[in-house]
Amino acid sequence: QQPVQSPQAVILREGEDAVINCSSSKALYSVHWYRQKHGEAPVFLMILLKGGEQMRHEKISASFNEKKQQSSLYLTASQLSYSGTYFCGTDYEGYNKLIFGAGTRLAVHP
Amino acid sequence: GAVVSQHPSRVICKSGTSVKIECRSLDFQATTMFWYRQFPKKSLMLMATSNEGSKATYEQGVEKDKFLINHASLTLSTLTVTSAHPEDSSFYICSASEKAEPYEQYFGPGTRLTVT
Repeated sequence: QQPVQSPQAVILREGEDAVINCSSSKALYSVHWYRQKHGEAPVFLMILLKGGEQMRHEKISASFNEKKQQSSLYLTASQLSYSGTYFCGTDYEGYNKLIFGAGTRLAVHP
Repeated sequence: GAVVSQHPSRVICKSGTSVKIECRSLDFQATTMFWYRQFPKKSLMLMATSNEGSKATYEQGVEKDKFLINHASLTLSTLTVTSAHPEDSSFYICSASEKAEPYEQYFGPGTRLTVT
């Protein structure tokens, strides 16, 4: 089952914060976050494992609530380079096979 | 970071012909490679998982006879679209991982296939 991402799109001014959510209807082994810019390959941001700690990548952090079967990506003090589409990938079996959400398009303006 | 290449980056072929797409991990050994299909402004749809030396595992709804996957070595996987039709036109993207457990996947730049 494809995880549900929200919101579908976000528009920010440089320096503003945003939260992107990823919800699953069944138990997760891990959640992976990627960012894809137009015409480019997705780039890895971080993995959150069951029972693991909150992760961080520069000014981007993420949490994983196993009970609620959801993960959230926190972008603080956004930069222009944060623009792109953010995908969460859910791993239900622990074999790194990912089912990606529909994506959240983020646009950061000066 | 690790680099994954794909070749070709773009291909146009006639309906009924076959097209082969290569995915290579350039500076690491990929235990597992994944093939995805992506439509414009849409998500990545997993087609199949391939492990070196064994048969690929296809996702539900993906025809294994149409999309042939060969993972010949720890650095090379190929996807062959057989008897291509216009509806097979899409962006095909591969990823590679060093481990068969939750780990970073390194994505290739993708291949744009257009079937006329």
